Amino acid sequence: EPEVTQTPSHQVTQMGQEVILRCVPISNHLYFYWYRQILGQKVEFLVSFYNNEISEKSEIFDDQFSVERPDGSNFTLKIRSTKLEDSAMYFCASSEVWTSGREEQFFGPGTRLTVL
Amino acid sequence: AQKITQTQPGMFVQEKEAVTLDCTYDTSDPSYGLFWYKQPSSGEMIFLIYQGSYDQQNATEGRYSLNFQKARKSANLVISASQLGDSAMYFCAMREGLRNQGGKLIFGQGTELSVKP
Repeated sequence: EPEVTQTPSHQVTQMGQEVILRCVPISNHLYFYWYRQILGQKVEFLVSFYNNEISEKSEIFDDQFSVERPDGSNFTLKIRSTKLEDSAMYFCASSEVWTSGREEQFFGPGTRLTVL
Repeated sequence: AQKITQTQPGMFVQEKEAVTLDCTYDTSDPSYGLFWYKQPSSGEMIFLIYQGSYDQQNATEGRYSLNFQKARKSANLVISASQLGDSAMYFCAMREGLRNQGGKLIFGQGTELSVKP
């Protein structure tokens, strides 16, 4: 069964460093998302991406964040200068074009980012 | 204001019994979708069930069913015949604008379910 994959599974970085989180969405999906979950809290939307551009972004997704689809398969989230409060689990998700009235977003296993 | 409210931080259920996890939502959009996800201790998010606002019947997927009460704005998840492997965090989520393809999911705080042997 097709699945969303994410690398790395765990990233430890120093405050102020840049990190790139990588995702490979399901191949026929066209909508891509990043969410994050701070430990013990709910999942929060960061950004959605369609047709090579951002569709929507949340207040969390400030100038320190960027997304890119550098080729036909990868979808990346870059944090330019990490802060302690960026420590969280980051989930990538994808969904296909809505045709049947139901539209699951399939989540990857997540990347746990720890900023020291 | 909270868009998705899950009032039960934690729930216990005896193995083989049924359990209901509560979810209420708030939206002025007549078109929306409601989702439930399971998050085991390993951390991944597993899709369980979906209910569209215009669906006439309550959604069912195996042992999962959704008790959708539109007037009350509630979408409770019912798990029948609980198994030890059902122990996990459960999140209710909503997407507003049914025809808004690619719209974000808004999550509730989650309910941690523990199944006792």
